[in-house]
Amino acid sequence: EAGVAQSPRYKIIEKRQSVAFWCNPISGHATLYWYQQILGQGPKLLIQFQNNGVVDDSQLPKDRFSAERLKGVDSTLKIQPAKLEDSAVYLCASSLPLTGFSYEQYFGPGTRLTVT
Amino acid sequence: ILNVEQSPQSLHVQEGDSTNFTCSFPSSNFYALHWYRWETAKSPEALFVMTLNGDEKKKGRISATLNTKEGYSYLYIKGSQPEDSATYLCAFPNDYKLSFGAGTTVTVRA
Repeated sequence: EAGVAQSPRYKIIEKRQSVAFWCNPISGHATLYWYQQILGQGPKLLIQFQNNGVVDDSQLPKDRFSAERLKGVDSTLKIQPAKLEDSAVYLCASSLPLTGFSYEQYFGPGTRLTVT
Repeated sequence: ILNVEQSPQSLHVQEGDSTNFTCSFPSSNFYALHWYRWETAKSPEALFVMTLNGDEKKKGRISATLNTKEGYSYLYIKGSQPEDSATYLCAFPNDYKLSFGAGTTVTVRA
């Protein structure tokens, strides 16, 4: 079974530039998550999709971050314009449809973003 | 946002030694606790999903215990090897999303 794919793996940009990350979840996984992991902290959920609908985006900084999941498969997370504090690892994860609290999430390798 | 705490933040272990570290979480409304291992430049990998008080799970040299009444879980590594070097994350589900601790980074010295 192929895992969660993410690209790019690394990205360096200057502040005020824009950047986009791509995620392809495990086939058949209806739920997709984007997390932000800042050095020294645990991953923080930015947005959660169920198929192509948003379940939770309460921690997404909507003035600069946007995400979409067209056709309920691939997803793109965009930052425009980037700030220094956006330097982090951006993780994508997927899981089967929400059926309980013991569900397991499968993670991609992440994109390490450095904003200079 | 739930408060999930892990300690210590980091530890160094000599190859062959055993070690353990802690995850503490809210003891009320417990449903499950997840442990993940995250090696550098790789994807976080699920280790255990623990659901019952007193639960003990094992995967090779790694095991975990759970105390839901007092709100903590221990993860043990027996006979540490260099390949055990990673950040170990615990996560507590709430409202169908996971709240992660900051992780314990384990470095095994040969």
